Amino acid sequence: AQSVTQLGSHVSVSEGALVLLRCNYSSSVPPYLFWYVQYPNQGLQLLLKYTTGATLVKGINGFEAEFKKSETSFHLTKPSAHMSDAAEYFCAVRKGNFNKFYFGSGTKLNVKP
Amino acid sequence: NAGVTQTPKFQVLKTGQSMTLQCAQDMNHNSMYWYRQDPGMGLRLIYYSASEGTTDKGEVPNGYNVSRLNKREFSLRLESAAPSQTSVYFCASIPDSSYNEQFFGPGTRLTVL
Repeated sequence: AQSVTQLGSHVSVSEGALVLLRCNYSSSVPPYLFWYVQYPNQGLQLLLKYTTGATLVKGINGFEAEFKKSETSFHLTKPSAHMSDAAEYFCAVRKGNFNKFYFGSGTKLNVKP
Repeated sequence: NAGVTQTPKFQVLKTGQSMTLQCAQDMNHNSMYWYRQDPGMGLRLIYYSASEGTTDKGEVPNGYNVSRLNKREFSLRLESAAPSQTSVYFCASIPDSSYNEQFFGPGTRLTVL
């Protein structure tokens, strides 16, 4: 069965501090992996994605994520948090060529001044 | 180019009432999706349509029906609403099965009393 686990439903960091949001997946085949961001009362917006090739993926707003097959992880990082990064972040996986996407339960990021 | 649009934005129903949530996309995408978002549970797939004329069940289809009216529109119907269907509903689309990024609508917030 396909599943995505996001550790920590709430993460709080100070402005300027490192952001690390964790995502682990289970899949018997190499998956396609995604991070989405959701601002209050809005839909989801793609931050970045991994399909094939380079395992370190850079996205919008200074975020990046690294696909680690041995750890079945796709953690999201940003070197320096900004107040505008406060939002909810979702990790998602698509398995192979199937049309279904599976989402994690989400992590709410709070950025303190 | 409006992207993915959803109507209505908000709706309050009484238990047992019926309603249809509308979704339309103007990007000529083949695949469309309906998700529900509940706190702490991320997005769960209700139904999806890989192409015009086809629909398939997702993780939580009970209590819902869908219609892929044409390539642009994908509606979600609640025949007899229940309080457990109180949620935020998102529609999404992708161009075709080889494409990975989902495009999301702004959501419909439904409350069932």
